[in-house]
Amino acid sequence: EAGVTQFPSHSVIEKGQTVTLRCDPISGHDNLYWYRRVMGKEIKFLLHFVKESKQDESGMPNNRFLAERTGGTYSTLKVQPAELEDSGVYFCASRPTLEGAEAFFGQGTRLTVV
Amino acid sequence: AQSVTQPDIHITVSEGASLELRCNYSYGATPYLFWYVQSPGQGLQLLLKYFSGDTLVQGIKGFEAEFKRSQSSFNLRKPSVHWSDAAEYFCAVGASGGYQKVTFGIGTKLQVIP
Repeated sequence: EAGVTQFPSHSVIEKGQTVTLRCDPISGHDNLYWYRRVMGKEIKFLLHFVKESKQDESGMPNNRFLAERTGGTYSTLKVQPAELEDSGVYFCASRPTLEGAEAFFGQGTRLTVV
Repeated sequence: AQSVTQPDIHITVSEGASLELRCNYSYGATPYLFWYVQSPGQGLQLLLKYFSGDTLVQGIKGFEAEFKRSQSSFNLRKPSVHWSDAAEYFCAVGASGGYQKVTFGIGTKLQVIP
């Protein structure tokens, strides 16, 4: 069974440009989460999808960030325009809707804004 | 608000020595607690979790953790460390259901020396 896959693994962009990160969850997992780790800081929650709906987006830093989950399958996280402080590692996780079920994390996308 | 403190940012142990990674949490109700590990180039992998029941939890790779409510702690232990255990370890706390807005600690980097 394929795990959670994230694309790209690394991205270096200039300030002001747009970047789109993609997450392919494990097939059948209704729950999809985005987290971010800024260098030297904690991993922080960004948002949670249940199927195609945003269940909780309280962790999104500002309106430069837009997350979508087309048809309840893969998800994208767009940053437009990117700022220096957006640099970090963006993690995606998915889990089925079962009490106590484990969340599986992707390898993360390392975003560097220069 | 929930929070997690991992007081040790870096720890170095000799191969074969015992290991204890400290974690203290703050949460208003019964917490859901996790330990994750991230090896270089890999995603976060769940080592173990505590939801209820026996306060001594066994995990993968020979790790265990003990939930101590009186101390608000969930320390991770391993009796004999292997070189392959070198990685970054994250303690995390979640709300009921386990994964709703999980809060991570800052992480502890473990170095294993021969």
